[in-house]
Amino acid sequence: DTAVSQTPKYLVTQMGNDKSIKCEQNLGHDTMYWYKQDSKKFLKIMFSYNNKELIINETVPNRFSPKSPDKAHLNLHINSLELGDSAVYFCASSQDKGWGNTIYFGEGSWLTVV
Amino acid sequence: QKEVEQDPGPLSVPEGAIVSLNCTYSNSAFQYFMWYRQYSRKGPELLMYTYSSGNKEDGRFTAQVDKSSKYISLFIRDSQPSDSATYLCAMSGIKAAGNKLTFGGGTRVLVKP
Repeated sequence: DTAVSQTPKYLVTQMGNDKSIKCEQNLGHDTMYWYKQDSKKFLKIMFSYNNKELIINETVPNRFSPKSPDKAHLNLHINSLELGDSAVYFCASSQDKGWGNTIYFGEGSWLTVV
Repeated sequence: QKEVEQDPGPLSVPEGAIVSLNCTYSNSAFQYFMWYRQYSRKGPELLMYTYSSGNKEDGRFTAQVDKSSKYISLFIRDSQPSDSATYLCAMSGIKAAGNKLTFGGGTRVLVKP
């Protein structure tokens, strides 16, 4: 059983399109995240949700909109895709939002915008 | 200058050697220190977790934290080809809303048979 699962794993799309990445965790965790890994391997947090409530929003363009229908799911919708959005997007979760909570990552979604 | 600095490598060692990895950081508020291993085309998986200063050992892995020098290390003893991966250091504990990890850029390690 995959603890944090995200789909699709690979996505190639044209500039201007709208796409979504879905994420689900079966760990019973309260907090979920989206991280972005660029071509230089730097992982940076984008969003964090705790029990469906947005708690971290790190200077991300408005074209990125996370949606959490329940605490086990956190989806990422991206409007008007740009070339610079090409990256690997990782969903993650932790027991709760407190500092030091271990964060578990999914396998990643490779987004290529052409 | 980034908050967390990590040599990108690659670091190439023969099988059985000790792998030595390190990160430096600038924010003295960091309290929690982690090492993640990331295989190609996979997500990061947690290897070691340390709170504040000190050493922690888990099998072939030893993590060290020196908060006075803002320096953390990971040592892998008796390295195996299966240890070939990118190793990411990560830290948290700054006064921010929620649990937020700040990562280094990762060091690519190659263990040659």
